[in-house]
Amino acid sequence: GESVGLHLPTLSVQEGDNSIINCAYSNSASDYFIWYKQESGKGPQFIIDIRSNMDKRQGQRVTVLLNKTVKHLSLQIAATQPGDSAVYFCAESYNQGGKLIFGQGTELSVKP
Amino acid sequence: EAGVAQSPRYKIIEKRQSVAFWCNPISGHATLYWYQQILGQGPKLLIQFQNNGVVDDSQLPKDRFSAERLKGVDSTLKIQPAKLEDSAVYLCASRGQGKKTETQYFGPGTRLLVL
Repeated sequence: GESVGLHLPTLSVQEGDNSIINCAYSNSASDYFIWYKQESGKGPQFIIDIRSNMDKRQGQRVTVLLNKTVKHLSLQIAATQPGDSAVYFCAESYNQGGKLIFGQGTELSVKP
Repeated sequence: EAGVAQSPRYKIIEKRQSVAFWCNPISGHATLYWYQQILGQGPKLLIQFQNNGVVDDSQLPKDRFSAERLKGVDSTLKIQPAKLEDSAVYLCASRGQGKKTETQYFGPGTRLLVL
């Protein structure tokens, strides 16, 4: 069935280090991918997205990499800060504007 | 620009009772989604509206869940009667129009506990 999964359920990093959160997706027809950050008690917050015609996209301190050959998505956070501590979800969509299929999430913990 | 608004933020009910959630999307957003997020999992779509029409309700348990968006703006999601397994966060999201506008923006959610 459809699924988007994360390789690591928890990730602990030191403040200032770079973080990499990985995600595997199963639907090769997916053409849109997005990363959300969810803090405790809040709704998912948009971080960055990428379409399938790209393999890399950069934002402020974040980079998303897409490898369609192995159906893998990653989120890189540069100079991780305590405020980055949250659960990170990747999600995919295969029809424009349609539902997002979310993975389980990775909890990022930043140690000062 | 104001974000997606939801109310109430928290609700505790007993099983077999009914409950309703309200969502006000970002102004001008034609597409509205309701997701259910069970603790420790990612959100799962319940229903998608385009203006006041239903686009996808294939995952909505229609024997107990209903949703409407009568005027194409605000939406309500209702559960009647509630079951213990309905305990979850109910998230509303909205999306703007246009081919390059695919980002869904989420509200803070309504946390439902069914006892």
